[in-house]
Amino acid sequence: QQQVKQSPQSLIVQKGGIPIINCAYENTAFDYFPWYQQFPGKGPALLIAIRPDVSEKKEGRFTISFNKSAKQFSLHIMDSQPGDSATYFCAATLYGGATNKLIFGTGTLLAVQP
Amino acid sequence: DVKVTQSSRYLVKRTGEKVFLECVQDMDHENMFWYRQDPGLGLRLIYFSYDVKMKEKGDIPEGYSVSREKKERFSLILESASTNQTSMYLCASSFLGQDYEQYFGPGTRLTVT
Repeated sequence: QQQVKQSPQSLIVQKGGIPIINCAYENTAFDYFPWYQQFPGKGPALLIAIRPDVSEKKEGRFTISFNKSAKQFSLHIMDSQPGDSATYFCAATLYGGATNKLIFGTGTLLAVQP
Repeated sequence: DVKVTQSSRYLVKRTGEKVFLECVQDMDHENMFWYRQDPGLGLRLIYFSYDVKMKEKGDIPEGYSVSREKKERFSLILESASTNQTSMYLCASSFLGQDYEQYFGPGTRLTVT
């Protein structure tokens, strides 16, 4: 029940394409879903996050779509650029509270070809 | 600029050695975390701490211990390193109640031979 399943494991797109990364969770108590971006040689960094009271959130070229009934959420990258090449992790947690663990997906290695 | 630093970027140790990985954050965060990152397995939580001298087991604590004597410093200890502990180790920190926004260090690539 604590798992977050992420797919695909790797993805190659051409510049300008729209890569889509999908995640699914089981625990209906989760109420905060962040995405982290990790460049080679760096630690992950928070990219964008969504709460289940909205179905979509956009920040620049990054969009999270959320389907509460299906317990799924996905990351879309519009007009992808070679600089977006990185590993992307979805995660789930409980918002607020004293201490809650982030449950990470297994990661998607994205390569955007020029 | 917020910063989480880890003592080494690369480390090579022999089987059976005691290994110390150090992490320091300058953001006055209450929470600190240790993860290991392996291909296809994502980020797995080893231990975390929400206060000085406090520690909680994560999902894979076996073979590891931690120490937090000061708020800004969190150490991961491999009591007797084994080859299956070869991995990338990531330290992170966050404010209390804001575990959803963790700040990560650059990682330590540990190889145990």
